[in-house]
Amino acid sequence: QSALTQPRSVSGSPGQSVSISCTGTSSDVGGYNYVSWYQQHTGKAPKLMIYDVSERPSGVPDRFSGSKSGNTASLTISGLQAEDEADYYCCSYAGSHMVFGEGTKLTVL
Amino acid sequence: EVQLVESGGGLVQPGGSLRLSCATSGLTFSNYRMHWVRQAPGKGLVWVSWINGDGTNINYADSVKGRFTISRDNAKNTLYLQMNSLRAEDTAMYYCARDTAGLHYWGQGTLVTVSS
Repeated sequence: QSALTQPRSVSGSPGQSVSISCTGTSSDVGGYNYVSWYQQHTGKAPKLMIYDVSERPSGVPDRFSGSKSGNTASLTISGLQAEDEADYYCCSYAGSHMVFGEGTKLTVL
Repeated sequence: EVQLVESGGGLVQPGGSLRLSCATSGLTFSNYRMHWVRQAPGKGLVWVSWINGDGTNINYADSVKGRFTISRDNAKNTLYLQMNSLRAEDTAMYYCARDTAGLHYWGQGTLVTVSS
């Protein structure tokens, strides 16, 4: 049950686009279309941003999008805004358990 | 409005026990798989356990298997986590979350500190 691999940090200027990768194995990310992404601001509970690889819950801006290729999933945030600065975690179903990524800190410059 | 409220956290000595609760409202509780997720101070999210709607399918992370027990009372709309043989590394904020193709709703968490 190893954590999925994410970059420790990414950054971008307002209006730019950034992508966060999430690499697992054929037993988790690559084996199921059940990858989700969570945004967490400091001291707050996580918030679901993407589920089932690329679906957005109601209320999440369409600036947030998800995709997957093989064992790697990605979250792309376009038109960066200051309020997007937060920690982001991917998560995958893995048959008998769930596994989260290590987390990525997004800094809006 | 869906609400999840965790309780039961606190300071406990190594080897001790705690029972966490997650009271829910605004949802048909028995319809949903529920999860516990924890986050050590300054660290990332870690999945702990899940239980399906009728309690017949349960799974645990290897790190807690044999020490933690997840359960639910659908009549009370409440999820539980019985934690035994607690270790320093179990120190974390514990969140409950509702599963609907992704963890759509989360509580605010309850803090568990394992220390002598």
